[in-house]
This record gives sequence, structure tokens and C-alpha cells, in this order.
Amino acid sequence: DGGITQSPKYLFRKEGQNVTLSCEQNLNHDAMYWYRQDPGQGLRLIYYSQIVNDFQKGDIAEGYSVSREKKESFPLTVTSAQKNPTAFYLCASSIVEPNYGYTFGSGTRLTVV
Amino acid sequence: SQELEQSPQSLIVQEGKNLTINCTSSKTLYGLYWYKQKYGEGLIFLMMLQKGGEEKSHEKITAKLDEKKQQSSLHITASQPSHAGIYLCGADVVDQGGKLIFGQGTELSVKP
Repeated sequence: DGGITQSPKYLFRKEGQNVTLSCEQNLNHDAMYWYRQDPGQGLRLIYYSQIVNDFQKGDIAEGYSVSREKKESFPLTVTSAQKNPTAFYLCASSIVEPNYGYTFGSGTRLTVV
Repeated sequence: SQELEQSPQSLIVQEGKNLTINCTSSKTLYGLYWYKQKYGEGLIFLMMLQKGGEEKSHEKITAKLDEKKQQSSLHITASQPSHAGIYLCGADVVDQGGKLIFGQGTELSVKP
């Protein structure tokens, strides 16, 4: 079955560490997105990519980095520069045109310990 | 200010009651998408509305798009505990290059 897979489901990070969240899709979607979800704030866009080897900053890119070396994969690295990384992270994918909306992964909950 | 406003932010209803959630855009809408989320899980697609006046239904959930008001409503008839969760609207609006913007979400609790 086609879908989008995020791993791990839970991740714990020590202060000063970089961690990488995985996002893989087998839907043949061109576009992929990373969102951060905090209580009462909805979804905030971190980075997005509409084509391999190209990505754009979203609204809250500071302290995060991404790569898009393969169409299927869009990993997100939370760097030590991100001062408040504890949150729920969601990955999504879509075709670019027409816009049928996004397919979401099941999320990764990151906690700083 | 939020470009996509949802109301109410939270809702507690008795099982069997009807309810409505609204989503209003401050920008021209090209498409409106409704999602449901269980706590700690991903978003599940419910419905997509793209034409003014369009109305779609799935089981006991109906969504409508009022193009003039730049607003969509999600109506649940005879609510059940299985309807509980967070409902989010996403919108394809002008000046976003096809990227969706999202409302803050509406947390729905259904009391048995």
C-alpha cells in the first residue's frame, strides 16, 4: 500500500545534540513538507521541497535543516541551534498540480531531556 | 493575525448532538481541505472542496464551501465518541504557490 512513513515515533534529544527525523513516501509525490505542531498553534511550516535537490524555507526554518537527495525521502535534522525543539513533527507529501491536498505521516514526537 | 481562523477552538458535546466547526480565510480560496487528527497521530484526510457552493458528505460529516464568505463549515450529525479528535482545515490560497495553510484546529470531545 502507498503511504508516507515517519520514524521514529518517539525521539529523545539531549541538550546540544543534533537529531534526524526520517520521512519516506512511496506515493510518487513530487512535493514534501515538514511541519511542527505545538498545542493551540496549528501546523507551522518548517521546510518544503517540490523537486529533488531543491528545497525552500518555511515560516520557522531557523535551527532546522533538510535534504532532498531522492524523491522518496525528505529527512529533517533538528540542530542544537533550535532552542525549543520539543514538539510533534509531521511530514506530508503531495502532487504539485492539481492540488488534491496533502498526505500526512503519523508524526514524530521529539522531547529534549 | 491568523490567515485561516477556525472556530470554536474547542467543543464538548453530548453524544447524539449535532455540531458545526467553521473555517474562515482572510485570502481568496482556491481549495479547502478538512482533516481529522487523533492525539499524537497524523492527519487523516476527510474532504476537499474546490468550488463555491460545493457540499460533500461522508457518513455523518458534511462540509460546505461558501466562496463569497471565504468560509467553510464542517457539520457532524448525531455525534458519536468516535468523532472525537482535532479537526483542522487547510487552504490553498492566493500567494502561497500551492502550499496549504492551516487553521489552529478545533478539539472536539464527545461525552457518552
